[in-house]
Amino acid sequence: EIVLTQSPGTLSLSPGERATLSCRASQSVSSSYLAWYQQKPGQAPRLLIYGASSRATGIPDRFSGSGSGTDFTLTISRLEPEDFAVYHCQQYGSSPLTFGGGTKVEIK
Amino acid sequence: EVQLVQSGAEVKKPGESLKISCKGSGYNFTTYWIAWVRQMPGKGLEWMGIIYPGDSDTTYSPSFQGQVTISADKSISTAYLQWSSLKASDTAMYYCARPAGYCSSSSCSHLDVWGQGTTVTVSS
Repeated sequence: EIVLTQSPGTLSLSPGERATLSCRASQSVSSSYLAWYQQKPGQAPRLLIYGASSRATGIPDRFSGSGSGTDFTLTISRLEPEDFAVYHCQQYGSSPLTFGGGTKVEIK
Repeated sequence: EVQLVQSGAEVKKPGESLKISCKGSGYNFTTYWIAWVRQMPGKGLEWMGIIYPGDSDTTYSPSFQGQVTISADKSISTAYLQWSSLKASDTAMYYCARPAGYCSSSSCSHLDVWGQGTTVTVSS
């Protein structure tokens, strides 16, 4: 099983700042089958990024994904008030599919 | 609009059985897989398994094999997650979600559509 470790656990930033979230895999993620989801309190997760770097439909271009192999990054270029949430990474290239533990982006 | 609508919150006692549902609309339900994902209180997401409603082909995560049953009724575009004997540790939010593409026993696709979630509380 591929274990995904997200860091930091919590990121305290101000609106307008840049957020950099990390997702590290215990083994190489095949074909960059890595996705990022945003989850706000009381809501279901929402797909942001798939294939490590492709934005999902309707996702603003301030969200970008990068990486390959075992190291992946989600970057939010300038935080908007609605971006404060929990972010989950997921690998779907190897069974069982696994999620990271999440990174909470909170207002500083 | 593509939607997955889940059944309402449940409160059950340990040992009881339960079946929750996820109804798809706005797309051909039989040609997309449905996944189930657990989120325990204050915790991250866990992949439980997937089903292909077209032929009910099902794959479980090893962590959930034998603990739950995933099924589907394509005639009413609905997938199910059921327990035969609930435990307090089954208390969680359960989401159904649609993989965007093909899934196999060894890999799958990203989840592009999610249900709103069903809260299951198991307490004596």
